[in-house]
Amino acid sequence: GAGVSQSPSNKVTEKGKDVELRCDPISGHTALYWYRQSLGQGLEFLIYFQGNSAPDKSGLPSDRFSAERTGGSVSTLTIQRTQQEDSAVYLCASSQGTSAHNEQFFGPGTRLTVL
Amino acid sequence: AQKITQTQPGMFVQEKEAVTLDCTYDTSDPSYGLFWYKQPSSGEMIFLIYQGSYDQQNATEGRYSLNFQKARKSANLVISASQLGDSAMYFCAMREPNTGNQFYFGTGTSLTVIP
Repeated sequence: GAGVSQSPSNKVTEKGKDVELRCDPISGHTALYWYRQSLGQGLEFLIYFQGNSAPDKSGLPSDRFSAERTGGSVSTLTIQRTQQEDSAVYLCASSQGTSAHNEQFFGPGTRLTVL
Repeated sequence: AQKITQTQPGMFVQEKEAVTLDCTYDTSDPSYGLFWYKQPSSGEMIFLIYQGSYDQQNATEGRYSLNFQKARKSANLVISASQLGDSAMYFCAMREPNTGNQFYFGTGTSLTVIP
């Protein structure tokens, strides 16, 4: 499969626990984005990686959220001390480059439920 | 100010009819890209169509066309000959490569095709 993959597809956790969400972008794509989508809502930007540049973390809602991208490929979004309001679908997307015409390709998402 | 505005939370269309989903945008960057994505109930985000700010003609992709009115900062999606499978959420998005390279998404329009 050549698309964006995410794991796990579903994650149920207890309030206060840490979770890690993984994203494998399309090979060769230099840009990687994380979004959060609450039920029936639009996409909330979280963080953006472009090549070796410092990531744009302006969308992270609190210091409990962090992300890294190793070797310019796989990315991990970590949520520490999860809260019930963190329950949402977390979408990852990758893009081939930084031109205006480069569309994003989305993964299937990770549905996070915090009990 | 909102970068992308979608003013129609929900739309209904009769099967085989055409429907227009509205999108307006706000940018001072002369170079930008406009995108439409479809999100069916399965949750995946599907890229539909792209329009560049310098494109002279409206983009078309099969039954999808983008009515691009640059002076009005409008990028409406037109779906012709609606099918039941078109029922989904539709998101308009913009990319500004010269100012951070984020994608800005609207709040979406829920389209229901009536048989």
